[in-house]
Amino acid sequence: EPEVTQTPSHQVTQMGQEVILRCVPISNHLYFYWYRQILGQKVEFLVSFYNNEISEKSEIFDDQFSVERPDGSNFTLKIRSTKLEDSAMYFCASSEAARTQYFGPGTRLTVL
Amino acid sequence: RKEVEQDPGPFNVPEGATVAFNCTYSNSASQSFFWYRQDCRKEPKLLMSVYSSGNEDGRFTAQLNRASQYISLLIRDSKLSDSATYLCVVLQAGGSYIPTFGRGTSLIVHP
Repeated sequence: EPEVTQTPSHQVTQMGQEVILRCVPISNHLYFYWYRQILGQKVEFLVSFYNNEISEKSEIFDDQFSVERPDGSNFTLKIRSTKLEDSAMYFCASSEAARTQYFGPGTRLTVL
Repeated sequence: RKEVEQDPGPFNVPEGATVAFNCTYSNSASQSFFWYRQDCRKEPKLLMSVYSSGNEDGRFTAQLNRASQYISLLIRDSKLSDSATYLCVVLQAGGSYIPTFGRGTSLIVHP
C-alpha cells in the first residue's frame, strides 16, 4: 500500500538555525499539506499546496516558514530561523482530491 | 472562531464494551467530516469518513447531525487494540478545504 514518507524522523537543531523537513507524498496525489503537533496538543494545520503553489495557510505559517516542491516527488518545509516554540512533531499529508488525507510518520523537531 | 470540540476523556472501558464519542463543530458551512485514530507519538490514521446518512465499518459506526452540528463515533465490542486517541476532523469550505482537528478523545480499553 502506498504511503507518505518523511525524513528525518528526528531533527535536533540550535535556536536560530535553519531546518528543512522532507516529505515524499503518495505518487498520484495532487494536494500536499504540512501540520504540526506540539506535545500534548492538537494537530494544527500549517499550509496546503496544490499545482505548485500555496493554496491555503494558517496564521502559524509566517515568514519564517516556506514550502517547496523541488522535483516531482519531494515536498519540503523550511523553517528559516528556528525558535524554541517550533519544537513539535511535523506531519506531512497528501490527498488525491483535497478531502481524505494520508499522513506521514512525522518528523520530531527539537530546538535547543 | 471556528472550533471543533471533543471531550478529551480518557474513556476507560473493559474489553467487549460499547463506547461512543461525540464531536461538535461551530462552522455550519463545514463540508466534510472524518474520524482519525492516533496512537501515542504516531501519525493520525484515517479511521472513517462520516457521511450524512451515517455509515458503518465493522465494529465502528459514524453519524452526522448537521442540525445540531455534531458527529459521533460508536465502537462496539471494544478490543485492547482500540486503545488510542480518536480525532475528529472537519473540513471547512475554502480554496482547498482547510482541516480543523479536535484535540482528540482518549480511549483506554482494559482486560
